[in-house]
Amino acid sequence: GEDVEQSLFLSVREGDSSVINCTYTDSSSTYLYWYKQEPGAGLQLLTYIFSNMDMKQDQRLTVLLNKKDKHLSLRIADTQTGDSAIYFCAEIPFYGGATNKLIFGTGTLLAVQP
Amino acid sequence: GAGVSQSPSNKVTEKGKDVELRCDPISGHTALYWYRQSLGQGLEFLIYFQGNSAPDKSGLPSDRFSAERTGGSVSTLTIQRTQQEDSAVYLCASSPDYTQYFGPGTRLTVL
Repeated sequence: GEDVEQSLFLSVREGDSSVINCTYTDSSSTYLYWYKQEPGAGLQLLTYIFSNMDMKQDQRLTVLLNKKDKHLSLRIADTQTGDSAIYFCAEIPFYGGATNKLIFGTGTLLAVQP
Repeated sequence: GAGVSQSPSNKVTEKGKDVELRCDPISGHTALYWYRQSLGQGLEFLIYFQGNSAPDKSGLPSDRFSAERTGGSVSTLTIQRTQQEDSAVYLCASSPDYTQYFGPGTRLTVL
């Protein structure tokens, strides 16, 4: 099947904005998520968006959703060194049935330079 | 409140041995998931439990893998006759609705 695609690596300077992009597989996906994983840790749910929304803002995080292009992005304002981590987008595809299993992207490693 | 906990945090075993991994979900969460994270395959779904319904085992990679959830709470993932390709981080998540909250994972190394 198709993969949820993300660029592998992003490097930004502290204080700049970061934009992490994701292309997902199912235009009928109801929920889309962003998770953060720090080294040796589990996945932390950062934010999520319903498919009937175009944008969601939560403090320094802004999620943009383009359903037509199946494109999801996460913008982190005023990026800090503590934001350095791997970021995963995930979807619950309609074809997954009642299980609500997450289909994850490949992950983007964000490196924040001081 | 307490999050999802998993034990052990690390497990090293010899090829051919059986291992058991444990997950304690967040209290009150009705759904529980197991995922596996490996370098080659990324994050992949293994199994799903919801209340008293039959589990969705569609993600289990072979019949050496099994899982149970007792009393609608604690879950155990068992891998029999471990192989080197089973080496991965096994993540558990619990969910009250459409959001899933993950534990820290168990890193399994099969020598």
